[in-house]
Amino acid sequence: DTGVSQDPRHKITKRGQNVTFRCDPISEHNRLYWYRQTLGQGPEFLTYFQNEAQLEKSRLLSDRFSAERPKGSFSTLEIQRTEQGDSAMYLCASSFEGFSSPLHFGNGTRLTVT
Amino acid sequence: AQTVTQSQPEMSVQEAETVTLSCTYDTSENNYYLFWYKQPPSRQMILVIRQEAYKQQNATENRFSVNFQKAAKSFSLKISDSQLGDTAMYFCAFILVRSNYQLIWGAGTKLIIKP
Repeated sequence: DTGVSQDPRHKITKRGQNVTFRCDPISEHNRLYWYRQTLGQGPEFLTYFQNEAQLEKSRLLSDRFSAERPKGSFSTLEIQRTEQGDSAMYLCASSFEGFSSPLHFGNGTRLTVT
Repeated sequence: AQTVTQSQPEMSVQEAETVTLSCTYDTSENNYYLFWYKQPPSRQMILVIRQEAYKQQNATENRFSVNFQKAAKSFSLKISDSQLGDTAMYFCAFILVRSNYQLIWGAGTKLIIKP
């Protein structure tokens, strides 16, 4: 299966700790997106990359959040000094360039901050 | 501001019945794409169907079809001959042509297909 993969599937951490998530997109896709989803809500856009360039960041993305896609392939999302409000599902998606190209999602990383 | 409203938090129907999920959206733009995505329990989100706003003809994909009313800003999803595997959260979303990175999402409708 060459779909989008995310690691880890689940992460439990204590408040104040740093966490890092990884996303491996579909190899042919040049766009990569990060979303956050809380229970009963649709995904909230966090940031997106075209190749290795980070082209947009949501205002939701505080300075504790940072994302990278160093070689235009996999991406990492790091949250520093986690807070309980960061508990959510973090979704990664990839697509071809173009506004009509559908997003292909990974299974997500569920973060629980205790 | 662009918004999407899904007024039905949860629906349930018997297997083989037809069900319609509603979606309304708000934008002052004229060029956009609309999507329905499906998120089964503990599984990844997948695209169900896509509609270009400039096309009057409603999109269909096998048992899935949409009723796109541009003037009313309505984009409902009809599932015919529903199956147990259709049980999922369904999200309506749209993207503006001028803003080719950010999908605007609704809160979702939880659809349960009963045997």
